[in-house]
Amino acid sequence: GENVEQHPSTLSVQEGDSAVIKCTYSDSASNYFPWYKQELGKRPQLIIDIRSNVGEKKDQRIAVTLNKTAKHFSLHITETQPEDSAVYFCAASILGSQGNLIFGKGTKLSVKP
Amino acid sequence: EAGVAQSPRYKIIEKRQSVAFWCNPISGHATLYWYQQILGQGPKLLIQFQNNGVVDDSQLPKDRFSAERLKGVDSTLKIQPAKLEDSAVYLCASSLVGMGRGGKTQYFGPGTRLLVL
Repeated sequence: GENVEQHPSTLSVQEGDSAVIKCTYSDSASNYFPWYKQELGKRPQLIIDIRSNVGEKKDQRIAVTLNKTAKHFSLHITETQPEDSAVYFCAASILGSQGNLIFGKGTKLSVKP
Repeated sequence: EAGVAQSPRYKIIEKRQSVAFWCNPISGHATLYWYQQILGQGPKLLIQFQNNGVVDDSQLPKDRFSAERLKGVDSTLKIQPAKLEDSAVYLCASSLVGMGRGGKTQYFGPGTRLLVL
């Protein structure tokens, strides 16, 4: 089955700097890769996702890149703000099959003002 | 649009006791998921329903966990008897259609934080 590895487990940056979180997946059939943000004590919320027919997707300060050959994808946050502090989870799945979301273990991002 | 509702928000029980969690998905969402999130880890799927039928329960410890969605709307997850290692946040999520039908975005509820002593 699918296995998703996520690095780093913790990340601390200064406000205004960029943050990058990387994930690798094992099943080459996976074709859908969402990223969720979970603030302390709150529910995970989808912030961006990408399908395998696209190499990069941007939404304001957030971008996701996908390298299908290497089976890894990354979340990029530019101009970080204190409110970006949270745990970020990547996930992988196969749309069109019974496969469900397999999550990474999460990255705790701290943005220092 | 109302989000996914869950109750209770917190529960403390002793090992070997029973506990039940309730979830009300977003109106119109056919697919409902129950996840277990252990502290410091990502959510792990326990069971997926499509309307009132089970699509995937391969990760559900069936000797002690059970779940139902009798009318295809609300769902309950039960643990009987509970073990110390069941301490976790139990998240319910819903999506318009399932991953098998091309659906993607899953909306999560606030979770139920369970502590087993």
